[in-house]
Amino acid sequence: SQQGEEDPQALSIQEGENATMNCSYKTSINNLQWYRQNSGRGLVHLILIRSNEREKHSGRLRVTLDTSKKSSSLLITASRAADTASYFCATDPYPYGNKLVFGAGTILRVKS
Amino acid sequence: DVKVTQSSRYLVKRTGEKVFLECVQDMDHENMFWYRQDPGLGLRLIYFSYDVKMKEKGDIPEGYSVSREKKERFSLILESASTNQTSMYLCASAKIENRVEQFFGPGTRLTVL
Repeated sequence: SQQGEEDPQALSIQEGENATMNCSYKTSINNLQWYRQNSGRGLVHLILIRSNEREKHSGRLRVTLDTSKKSSSLLITASRAADTASYFCATDPYPYGNKLVFGAGTILRVKS
Repeated sequence: DVKVTQSSRYLVKRTGEKVFLECVQDMDHENMFWYRQDPGLGLRLIYFSYDVKMKEKGDIPEGYSVSREKKERFSLILESASTNQTSMYLCASAKIENRVEQFFGPGTRLTVL
């Protein structure tokens, strides 16, 4: 079964609105990452949050991590049409630490 | 910037053919990975390699093999392609000291007829 599971599966918003995506996972982790994938392309690393961190920011991105609930959220503020993409969370399961486990992704569409 | 390139963006092969997918990275990364991506399933790890001539099975290695003769090149081989191997194949690389921050190639969309 998938370690990381994102919800919603799809999200459609207007330009300028905020977009929030959630990720839940099952086992203990060393860290969690978010990746973006534009249609038909490879994945681009966005942000990594370690298991001892609760919140991290990078530009318009804000990631939170709640290890007690085994969940993370990705917030994109003031969204733009160029943010239209699929977003994946990837966990680095503890203690194995030799591979990432990806969720099925959230498809975000930002309408202009 | 790290660059990971894959030999083809689109590939169409017939059932039973031997298929080679090549991946090259230019940042001297020790780790390299092959994933396949299918709708609703996310990315699943096929094989990875942490050094030249070293390889480890991922979650779905059946029907695939890999080759890493040079540090910058990691090849995925489908010995006898089948229709259920139609998928998007993504290669990634990472440094040995930061193996979880992976850099991805653009992907190869393989169709097996």
